[in-house]
Amino acid sequence: GQQLNQSPQSMFIQEGEDVSMNCTSSSIFNTWLWYKQDPGEGPVLLIALYKAGELTSNGRLTAQFGITRKDSFLNISASIPSDVGIYFCAITQGGSEKLVFGKGMKLTVNP
Amino acid sequence: NAGVTQTPKFRILKIGQSMTLQCTQDMNHNYMYWYRQDPGMGLKLIYYSVGAGITDKGEVPNGYNVSRSTTEDFPLRLELAAPSQTSVYFCASTLLLGLAGVYTDTQYFGPGTRLTVL
Repeated sequence: GQQLNQSPQSMFIQEGEDVSMNCTSSSIFNTWLWYKQDPGEGPVLLIALYKAGELTSNGRLTAQFGITRKDSFLNISASIPSDVGIYFCAITQGGSEKLVFGKGMKLTVNP
Repeated sequence: NAGVTQTPKFRILKIGQSMTLQCTQDMNHNYMYWYRQDPGMGLKLIYYSVGAGITDKGEVPNGYNVSRSTTEDFPLRLELAAPSQTSVYFCASTLLLGLAGVYTDTQYFGPGTRLTVL
């Protein structure tokens, strides 16, 4: 199956710091998605990217679809305690919008 | 709207037992999916359905069965539970319209079912 390489695997930061994470693949994709999963919950979509080079913001979150279409990054600025959770990159595969997920990045924010 | 609901939230099975994980969505979405999430891993697709009466295998379908008799419901069946099926199971749905896979909505996930097979 398709492999998405997501890094880093975990981060421990202080409240107020910025954090960056990225996702790479050996294949080209038309859509990159970023999800957040809170403990005990299902993933929730944060940002969807549909065009190479596209830079999209959602509040303190900014994500970019790489020019090569093989990578994407997500930035969180001025982190707050509720940013704690696991962040996943994902791509859609095939005509049925099947999701393939990266392994996730566990974020811990110390107040 | 309740969105995507899943029952039960937790379940412990013995090896060889069977059970059905229930998933219901009230958003009139045509596409539904079952994923499993193992510790420290992302979600992997088990089965999906593009509409009532139509199902297809995902990446890890072995040991599972599904059916889709209505738009709202997409149950996942485990016939002979094995320890390797210990995982958290998520159901998701989306609305996919138009040609060429252009979709007008995102995938909404349920809260998950945590299954342990001993």
